[in-house]
Parts: sequence; C-alpha cells; structure tokens
Amino acid sequence: DTAVSQTPKYLVTQMGNDKSIKCEQNLGHDTMYWYKQDSKKFLKIMFSYNNKELIINETVPNRFSPKSPDKAHLNLHINSLELGDSAVYFCASSQIKVGNTIYFGEGSWLTVV
Amino acid sequence: SQQGEEDPQALSIQEGENATMNCSYKTSINNLQWYRQNSGRGLVHLILIRSNEREKHSGRLRVTLDTSKKSSSLLITASRAADTASYFCAMQIQGAQKLVFGQGTRLTINP
Repeated sequence: DTAVSQTPKYLVTQMGNDKSIKCEQNLGHDTMYWYKQDSKKFLKIMFSYNNKELIINETVPNRFSPKSPDKAHLNLHINSLELGDSAVYFCASSQIKVGNTIYFGEGSWLTVV
Repeated sequence: SQQGEEDPQALSIQEGENATMNCSYKTSINNLQWYRQNSGRGLVHLILIRSNEREKHSGRLRVTLDTSKKSSSLLITASRAADTASYFCAMQIQGAQKLVFGQGTRLTINP
C-alpha cells in the first residue's frame, strides 16, 4: 500500500489554466505538507497543515490554494498557471511528535506551456 | 536564507569506495535528517540525528553532526551502484514545525 499518494503524476497544461493536485496519506499522520522542487532540485516548503489547520504558508502566491477536507487529504489548487509554476510538487506527511520524519509522495511533474 | 548548503553538488566514485557528503546550515536546529531521492521519485528518509548527538550509524551509513560548526556529514561506506541518487540534508529549525532542505548532492557510483 502506498503511504503518501498523489495524483496526477504528470500534468502538462497551458498558461492561464487552473489545475489541482490531490494527495492522500494512509499513515494516520496529523500533519501534511506541500513542497516544490524546481529545476535546480531546490526543495522548498509551500504549505503545512496540522489536523486540517493551516500552520505554515511560505509566502506562496495566492494563486496557490491548499485545501484539507480531513487530516488524511491535502489538495493543491493552482489558478492562472504561469510558466514559472513548472516544477515537481511533492506532498508529504509526518507525525509531529515522532522526530518529524517526513514521508514523501512520488511527486507530480507540472509543466506549463 | 535558512536553506542548507551541501557540498559537493555532484560526486562520482567507483563502486566499493566510500562517499562523503557535507551539509552546512545557519540557524539553530532540533535535529538534522538525511534523505535520498532516486531519479524521478520522491524523497526517502535515511537517518535522523538530534542536536545533542554527535554521530549515528545505520547499516552502511554514518552521520556526524557538529552543532558548533553548524555542519553535518553523511558517509556511505562500500558504495554500490544502487546507491546512485541525490542525497539531501534537512534541518528541523528550532521553534518552527518545518524542515529546511539543502540543495542536494548528486552521487553517481560507477560499476
């Protein structure tokens, strides 16, 4: 069973479109994250939710809107996509009280053309 | 920037040799972790070392932490072709519930 699963794995879309990436974790963790990895492999946190509550928002443009319907799901919706949004987006989860080891999904490759 | 820095950015060695990667950071941390990323895949946790620990072992991995120098190293002994991947250090910043990642070292093990 996949611990952190995200869909779609690949997404090619035109500038100006709106798209969503879904994420689910079956580890029972209370915290979920979205990370962005750019072409130079820099990995930066975008958002963190703890029990459906937003706890970290790293000055991400408001075109990016995370939604957590429950603590096992954290979806990422992106409005008005721009070329610079092309990257790999990783969903992740952790249990805050256990050394904060993070479990990552396999990534969603977003290409904006 | 809180981003960690890793050195070298790329490392290519022969199978059987040891590989050493270094990580430096700027802020106070609770712990430091190392992750591995195979090409086209997500990151996988390898090992965690707490701020009050100096060295930790896990199989062929050895991690050291020097909080006075704000640096850590990851040693992979007796490397194998399957160790080819990118390796990232990640710092849990004191007072913040997030991990800050270095930019990674791309390790290539030549058979």
